[in-house]
Amino acid sequence: AQSVTQLDSHVSVSEGTPVLLRCNYSSSYSPSLFWYVQHPNKGLQLLLKYTSAATLVKGINGFEAEFKKSETSFHLTKPSAHMSDAAEYFCVVSGNSNYQLIWGAGTKLIIKP
Amino acid sequence: EPEVTQTPSHQVTQMGQEVILRCVPISNHLYFYWYRQILGQKVEFLVSFYNNEISEKSEIFDDQFSVERPDGSNFTLKIRSTKLEDSAMYFCASSEALPGANTGELFFGEGSRLTVL
Repeated sequence: AQSVTQLDSHVSVSEGTPVLLRCNYSSSYSPSLFWYVQHPNKGLQLLLKYTSAATLVKGINGFEAEFKKSETSFHLTKPSAHMSDAAEYFCVVSGNSNYQLIWGAGTKLIIKP
Repeated sequence: EPEVTQTPSHQVTQMGQEVILRCVPISNHLYFYWYRQILGQKVEFLVSFYNNEISEKSEIFDDQFSVERPDGSNFTLKIRSTKLEDSAMYFCASSEALPGANTGELFFGEGSRLTVL
């Protein structure tokens, strides 16, 4: 069965410093992987996705993620954090079927001024 | 920019009452979904809907739940007899294609918070 582990429930960084949000997945086949972001009182928005093309995926707002099959990881990074990045981030893997997405528990990103 | 809209944003109901949560997906999308998030827990898949029928449902989606697309624009989730444990944020989503496809991005609404007393 597919599963996702987000290794940190909270990550706190200073504005202007790099961001690293860690995600490991488990899948019995080549999965599709996604990062979603949820700002307070807003819906879930797709940041980026990996669907078996380039292993380094660029998303919106300067975020990118690298698919590493050998490490079963899909960590999300950004070179320089901005105050507007403060939100909850979800790592998501495609499920057994084509329709279902399996969600990680989320990582709350806190940006210190 | 097209968006998924959900109503109500918050509903409070008594245990045992029926609740209908409404969603208007993006107009050219073909796939529709309901997810839920109980406070402090993971987002969980409930059901997907394609071609006017349920394409997949999770174990959570038991006989108390039903979905409908009554008029070609709205997509509803009905809970027949609510329980305390149904309290959660319910997210509707739609997509043009399946999630793994190039145009398979799920667009989510802002959610409907259901509180069962």
